[in-house]
Amino acid sequence: AQSVTQLGSHVSVSEGALVLLRCNYSSSVPPYLFWYVQYPNQGLQLLLKYTSAATLVKGINGFEAEFKKSETSFHLTKPSAHMSDAAEYFCVQGGSQGNLIFGKGTKLSVKP
Amino acid sequence: DTEVTQTPKHLVMGMTNKKSLKCEQHMGHRAMYWYKQKAKKPPELMFVYSYEKLSINESVPSRFSPECPNSSLLNLHLHALQPEDSALYLCASSQEASPSSYNEQFFGPGTRLTVL
Repeated sequence: AQSVTQLGSHVSVSEGALVLLRCNYSSSVPPYLFWYVQYPNQGLQLLLKYTSAATLVKGINGFEAEFKKSETSFHLTKPSAHMSDAAEYFCVQGGSQGNLIFGKGTKLSVKP
Repeated sequence: DTEVTQTPKHLVMGMTNKKSLKCEQHMGHRAMYWYKQKAKKPPELMFVYSYEKLSINESVPSRFSPECPNSSLLNLHLHALQPEDSALYLCASSQEASPSSYNEQFFGPGTRLTVL
């Protein structure tokens, strides 16, 4: 069965520091991969998606993710964290029936 | 218009009540979804509608009854719920219910349901 693993349920960084949220997916051809963000008491917003056009994917709000097939990873990064980035982040893989397979989520806290 | 709307935002109901959640999208999407999300957990898929027909039911109890009146609307009818059904209910839509990197799901803001 397909599964998505997010390493670290909670990541805390200082404002201005690098953000790195880790994700490993199930090997499948091709992998349909997404990162979603959820702010408190809100729905999910798509940050970025892997389309196989490029291994480095740029998303909204300065986030980007790198697809590494050899490592089955799709880690999310942002060079400089902002207070407004505090939220829950989900790494998601598209399933064979068009469903979404969610990782357990990583809560990002940003300290002033 | 790239928005999925959900009403109501909050709902409090007793275990004997009947209520409905509504979801609407005007993006021409032909797939719509209901998810249940408990605190500090990822969303769990409940139902998938594809071209207005129920295509996936993830073994959801019958006290939850979905309905898709047309391609833009999705309802979730609630009856005889239990306190453990309290959660955030999310609606989403996508172009098609098929695997594709171009087929991302757009989520609504959710309905926060509390069952007393």
